[in-house]
This record gives sequence, C-alpha cells and structure tokens, in this order.
Amino acid sequence: GQNIDQPTEMTATEGAIVQINCTYQTSGFNGLFWYQQHAGEAPTFLSYNVLDGLEEKGRFSSFLSRSKGYSYLLLKELQMKDSASYLCAVPGGWGKLQFGAGTQVVVTP
Amino acid sequence: EAGVTQFPSHSVIEKGQTVTLRCDPISGHDNLYWYRRVMGKEIKFLLHFVKESKQDESGMPNNRFLAERTGGTYSTLKVQPAELEDSGVYFCASSQDRVQETQYFGPGTRLLVL
Repeated sequence: GQNIDQPTEMTATEGAIVQINCTYQTSGFNGLFWYQQHAGEAPTFLSYNVLDGLEEKGRFSSFLSRSKGYSYLLLKELQMKDSASYLCAVPGGWGKLQFGAGTQVVVTP
Repeated sequence: EAGVTQFPSHSVIEKGQTVTLRCDPISGHDNLYWYRRVMGKEIKFLLHFVKESKQDESGMPNNRFLAERTGGTYSTLKVQPAELEDSGVYFCASSQDRVQETQYFGPGTRLLVL
C-alpha cells in the first residue's frame, strides 16, 4: 500500500517563498507528481520527479529524495493567483494515482 | 487541443435515483481514469480504462457503480441507486501512456445526493 502525507494549510504573503513538503511510503516507486487545484477547477499538472534532485520550472521547483521518501514543492515570488490547493501524488499499478489530502496555500497581500 | 471535458458540471439528485456522468478524454489518449473526492478527504482512484477495456476497477466502491467506455472514446459512470455517501466530486483524467505519463484532469462533476 501507499501512504502520502502533506500539511493541511500554509499561509504566506505576496512575494514570499513557501515550501510544501510531502512524505510518502510506497511498495514500489514510479515517480511523484505535483498538481495545483484552484477551487472548483481541475487539478493541473505542475511537475513530475522520478530521479533525486531539484527540478526548476520558472517560479516553481520540485525536489525529490527517494531514499528519504520525501519531496517538496517550492513556490517563489508568491502571487495572489497562487492561492490554491497543491496535491502530491504517487502513481501505483497501471498508473493510478494515489493522492495526498492536499495543502491549501493562502497568499495574503 | 481540447482538454478533458465532463458533463454535467453539477448534479443534485435524491437518494435512490440514478445519475450518469460522462467524460470525454483528450483525443488520442488511450488511458482514462475515474477518481472521486468526497468532502474532507483526498482524491481517490475508482477505475482505469485502456481503450475500451477495464484495466483496473479496484477502487469502485460497490456494484451500484457501473462504468463503460464505448468504442474506447468517451466514458460514462452510472450510479444506481444513488446513496447519500456517493456525494462528492467525480474527476476524470486521461493520458497517452500509463505509470509515468502525466494525467490530464477534467473539471469534475459535483454530485450531491439528498
């Protein structure tokens, strides 16, 4: 089975940096996804990590440590539009995703 | 290119009624997944189609749920009869390949059973 944990909520001010941690326990490992979901909308793909290390994509970066079962999503230069739920997900058999409960990020002026 | 679409966006029905949800995946995507999020919980897998075949339906809650994928294109998820605990948001996602391929999600159908 798989277990995925991430914080429930984080608050930060505009222009700041926020790091969302995700820990996982899996019977096998096929990478880790991060999705962003605004209220009432579809989850949208942010990043996929399968090798250890940091992958940077504009203001968003994602890090993976397979030995520690740990990933984080780093949001830099926060903007109001970044207020959303951020979902950590691990693919299992046949690609079905197992999701964490999501981290609600609140960006304040 | 059109994304994953779902219909209806919202549905309110009474306990015991039947509801059918539809998902149109991205054209050319062989893999189609159904997920559900009930209030306060994480998004959970329901089932997976590869073309018209059910690859994995281990997440289906019970036999009141029936999914089909006609001709390997769109898919329907029927709940009959609906119960209160079926309320939630039903998401559909599609991908070209499995496992390491990105899944693209639809906006979801919000189902409320009264």
